[in-house]
Amino acid sequence: KAGVTQTPRYLIKTRGQQVTLSCSPISGHRSVSWYQQTPGQGLQFLFEYFSETQRNKGNFPGRFSGRQFSNSRSEMNVSTLELGDSALYLCASSWTSTGPDTQYFGPGTRLTVL
Amino acid sequence: QKEVEQDPGPLSVPEGAIVSLNCTYSNSAFQYFMWYRQYSRKGPELLMYTYSSGNKEDGRFTAQVDKSSKYISLFIRDSQPSDSATYLCAMSAGGADGLTFGKGTHLIIQP
Repeated sequence: KAGVTQTPRYLIKTRGQQVTLSCSPISGHRSVSWYQQTPGQGLQFLFEYFSETQRNKGNFPGRFSGRQFSNSRSEMNVSTLELGDSALYLCASSWTSTGPDTQYFGPGTRLTVL
Repeated sequence: QKEVEQDPGPLSVPEGAIVSLNCTYSNSAFQYFMWYRQYSRKGPELLMYTYSSGNKEDGRFTAQVDKSSKYISLFIRDSQPSDSATYLCAMSAGGADGLTFGKGTHLIIQP
């Protein structure tokens, strides 16, 4: 069974631009979560989607948004990029709708903001 | 005080040693506890998953949860150079809550 895939793997943008990252969950998984990983703050929860609905959101500004499609694929968008948005963005998928179950992570998209 | 505290290391031990990794937490609502391993430039990989208190063993890995002390541990027996990675503890209260991670411990197993 294929794992979680994320595209693109690497991205370089400049301040003020916007970016869209994509995540395809493991087949059959309906929950998709997004995390930001930086050396200073570690892994931080952004938001979680289940059946196209955002169920939970972390403590990030409104510039960070996401959505989930009917096939469970998910995208996250960051508008008006700042230097501090440079990070590894990880997507994780899981099967059940309740409990953290077991989340399987993708390889991440490394975003560099210049 | 952060919700989850984890010593960042690095922790360097000789091959074959028993490794002990630990996290403390402050949120008594946490009831799901996980350990992830992350190699450089890769996504985290789930190693152990425990619900509530107790021990769980899987091969060379043992996870312990002590909810009364708000303390969790991961033990690695017969450590190998391939175990060199960053180990992240993670926990959740359940439901739609996202995982709360420790910052990770960088482990180095010396051949």
